[in-house]
Amino acid sequence: EVQLVESGGGLVQPGRSLKLSCAASGFTFSNYGMAWVRQAPTKGLEWVATISYDGSSTYYRDSVKGRFTISRDNAKSTLYLQMDSLRSEDTATYYCARHRNSGSMDAWGQGASVTVSS
Amino acid sequence: ETVMTQSPTSMSTSIGERVTLNCKASQSVGINVDWYQQTPGQSPKLLIYGASNRHTGVPDRFTGSGFGRDFTLTISNVEAEDLAVYYCLQYGSIPLTFGSGTKLEIK
Repeated sequence: EVQLVESGGGLVQPGRSLKLSCAASGFTFSNYGMAWVRQAPTKGLEWVATISYDGSSTYYRDSVKGRFTISRDNAKSTLYLQMDSLRSEDTATYYCARHRNSGSMDAWGQGASVTVSS
Repeated sequence: ETVMTQSPTSMSTSIGERVTLNCKASQSVGINVDWYQQTPGQSPKLLIYGASNRHTGVPDRFTGSGFGRDFTLTISNVEAEDLAVYYCLQYGSIPLTFGSGTKLEIK
């Protein structure tokens, strides 16, 4: 069974950093691109970043470029999102998701809650 | 950025009815569109990929269609478990963009 389990969320002050992890199991992690998608409270879904299967390519939405870094450790089957210079508008539930060979995301974690507030 | 506009924002229907949800892209995205279902308190789930392909395990009550800029998700014989918000996603260009969602309520 494919499983994605996020961790590392919490309450953080504006301007500080936080690192999310996503532990994958039930599939060959190194064969798939991965993504982070977020959802602000009572709002819709917003794509944040994508990383290729081998980590050689990364893509970000403009609002997080230069502040967030997506990375992966294929030996540990783990996806990461390093979030620096956090802003109140980054408050959201962050989901990790697996990309099919297209852009579709066919497996999702349960989400990690990040609250940016003083 | 490709903007995905969903309509209606919300709709109410009865069990057994058929409903059609719409998604319009601000520019052509070919068939690079998915539909996702998010039931209350849950993570999103992939329903339809490549505009018209049902994901594994998705009931055939769910049908996707469209090409270019206009896409639809049709749910036939609506069941109580279909209460959810439905999102379209385009992955034809970066940034990937979701529509704002259609909330389906059951009368």
